[in-house]
Amino acid sequence: AQSVAQPEDQVNVAEGNPLTVKCTYSVSGNPYLFWYVQYPNRGLQFLLKYITGDNLVKGSYGFEAEFNKSQTSFHLKKPSALVSDSALYFCAVRGPENMLTFGGGTRLMVKP
Amino acid sequence: DTGVSQDPRHKITKRGQNVTFRCDPISEHNRLYWYRQTLGQGPEFLTYFQNEAQLEKSRLLSDRFSAERPKGSFSTLEIQRTEQGDSAMYLCASSLGAGLDTGELFFGEGSRLTVL
Repeated sequence: AQSVAQPEDQVNVAEGNPLTVKCTYSVSGNPYLFWYVQYPNRGLQFLLKYITGDNLVKGSYGFEAEFNKSQTSFHLKKPSALVSDSALYFCAVRGPENMLTFGGGTRLMVKP
Repeated sequence: DTGVSQDPRHKITKRGQNVTFRCDPISEHNRLYWYRQTLGQGPEFLTYFQNEAQLEKSRLLSDRFSAERPKGSFSTLEIQRTEQGDSAMYLCASSLGAGLDTGELFFGEGSRLTVL
């Protein structure tokens, strides 16, 4: 069965600094990986996905993610954080029938 | 608005009562998913439909829970004899389910249930 781990419950970063939110995965076969963001009392919004191809994937709102097969990681990154990026971030891996298995989430706090 | 819509957004009920949530997926999407999210946790898969057929159910879906998608369009999730442990956000998502579908799920805003 597939699984995802997000080792950090919270990441704190100052506005304007680069940010990284970590994710590692376990899946048999080729991984289909996703990042979603959730604002308070809202549903999940898709940020980006890795299916195949370039290891650096670009997504919405200036976010990107780096796929590393040898380390089974898919870390989310942004060169310059904004206060408005503060939210809950979820990494997910696709399983059979497109079912997504989510990590526990990482709260990103960007301080002015 | 052509996204996934869920109703109601919030429901407060007393223990033992029945509640029903509705989800309207994106119109051309064949697949519909229900997830449950408790505070501070990631969403957990409950069940999914391909058109009107319910093809997978999680062990989280006890016999008090039932989901339907009678015409392959909207879906309902009913919880009978609610318990305080049922308090959570219930998320609905849909996907194309065929062809060029690469697995991206489109989520609704969720229905938050509070059982007193």
